[in-house]
Amino acid sequence: GQQLNQSPQSMFIQEGEDVSMNCTSSSIFNTWLWYKQDPGEGPVLLIALYKAGELTSNGRLTAQFGITRKDSFLNISASIPSDVGIYFCAGRLNQAGTALIFGKGTTLSVSS
Amino acid sequence: DAGVIQSPRHEVTEMGQEVTLRCKPISGHNSLFWYRQTMMRGLELLIYFNNNVPIDDSGMPEDRFSAKMPNASFSTLKIQPSEPRDSAVYFCASSPRLAGSNEQFFGPGTRLTVL
Repeated sequence: GQQLNQSPQSMFIQEGEDVSMNCTSSSIFNTWLWYKQDPGEGPVLLIALYKAGELTSNGRLTAQFGITRKDSFLNISASIPSDVGIYFCAGRLNQAGTALIFGKGTTLSVSS
Repeated sequence: DAGVIQSPRHEVTEMGQEVTLRCKPISGHNSLFWYRQTMMRGLELLIYFNNNVPIDDSGMPEDRFSAKMPNASFSTLKIQPSEPRDSAVYFCASSPRLAGSNEQFFGPGTRLTVL
């Protein structure tokens, strides 16, 4: 099936540092979503992107829909301990009626 | 507002037993999804419904798995008979859009352990 390549797989950073993660695919997507999952909980939607080139912010989070429509990135600025969790990208192919495809996730650890 | 509700939150059962997971989507949402999450395989889509009709069940691992959505406010995922390799966290999600792939809202999950 279709694959989303999400990287890095894990990150260990100091509080206050900026973080960047991305997802790429060989296929064209018409939607990119970024989710965060806290331990013991379901993924929670952070940012949704619907247009190529779109840049959207949610507080300290910024995500962009790549111009080629085959990639997206998520940046977190000035990380804090509560940013710890697993971040997932998800995309919808440019085909009617298709469901979301999820990346494998980036596990973020923040030390204070 | 109530989000997606799943029950039970935890289930421990023995191999061979029937397991039924339940989901109540957000009121007014058209689409419902069942996912399975494991360390090895990540988040996998099992099946999804639009307006209570199953659209794509290609992710259901085998005939031991079945899902139903008898009405817009309730869905079940059943495993019969269960096996240890079915141990995972099962998530239900709902979406307000038809073709249901944008902005899915997830429940808290059911952690299933099959001994």
